[in-house]
Amino acid sequence: GAGVSQSPSNKVTEKGKDVELRCDPISGHTALYWYRQSLGQGLEFLIYFQGNSAPDKSGLPSDRFSAERTGGSVSTLTIQRTQQEDSAVYLCASSYRGREQYFGPGTRLTVT
Amino acid sequence: GDSVTQMEGPVTLSEEACLTINCTYTATGYPSLFWYVQYPGEGLQLLLKATKADDKGSNKGFEATYRKETTSFHLEKGSVQVSDSAVYFCALWAQGGSEKLVFGKGTKLTVNP
Repeated sequence: GAGVSQSPSNKVTEKGKDVELRCDPISGHTALYWYRQSLGQGLEFLIYFQGNSAPDKSGLPSDRFSAERTGGSVSTLTIQRTQQEDSAVYLCASSYRGREQYFGPGTRLTVT
Repeated sequence: GDSVTQMEGPVTLSEEACLTINCTYTATGYPSLFWYVQYPGEGLQLLLKATKADDKGSNKGFEATYRKETTSFHLEKGSVQVSDSAVYFCALWAQGGSEKLVFGKGTKLTVNP
């Protein structure tokens, strides 16, 4: 079956612009996660959804970051007023009832 | 809080050499443990897992045993191939706490022919 998909695969944006990153989880997976992978910080957790609600937003680095999930499926991560330190690969993962997480290919964000 | 410490590398081996990547963890309760692999230009893939003490996860010739007494989950392979060149991440998931995976910093493995 189809895996986790993310779009776009690459995004280059100017500092100060807003960006939206999209994640389509595996069908039927109730949990959805966003992580960020950067050279200096490794893999960092950002936010977790169970259905459409987000019980854990503790990893969002600032109030410029927000995310939503609709219909228990697609999720969008929005970064407002992007900064150069936001440059990273943003990874989405999904899982079913707390079992292993399956990752998408990621969106590489470059802020110039 | 929960944490994972893994050998940082990079590790360079010749084909058919033995591999061990050390991973230790700190967690409350009884976490599930995972090894993920990231091949060049690709996303993270689950390599193997273990959900309770003394469980052995295995896949593609790789093995790791969940050792509660030493809080370890070392990754081993008896004979590596060039195609094993990748970055390997040890991770834990603590049921009942935050649902997130906590990752180690990753170990880059290069296998030369």
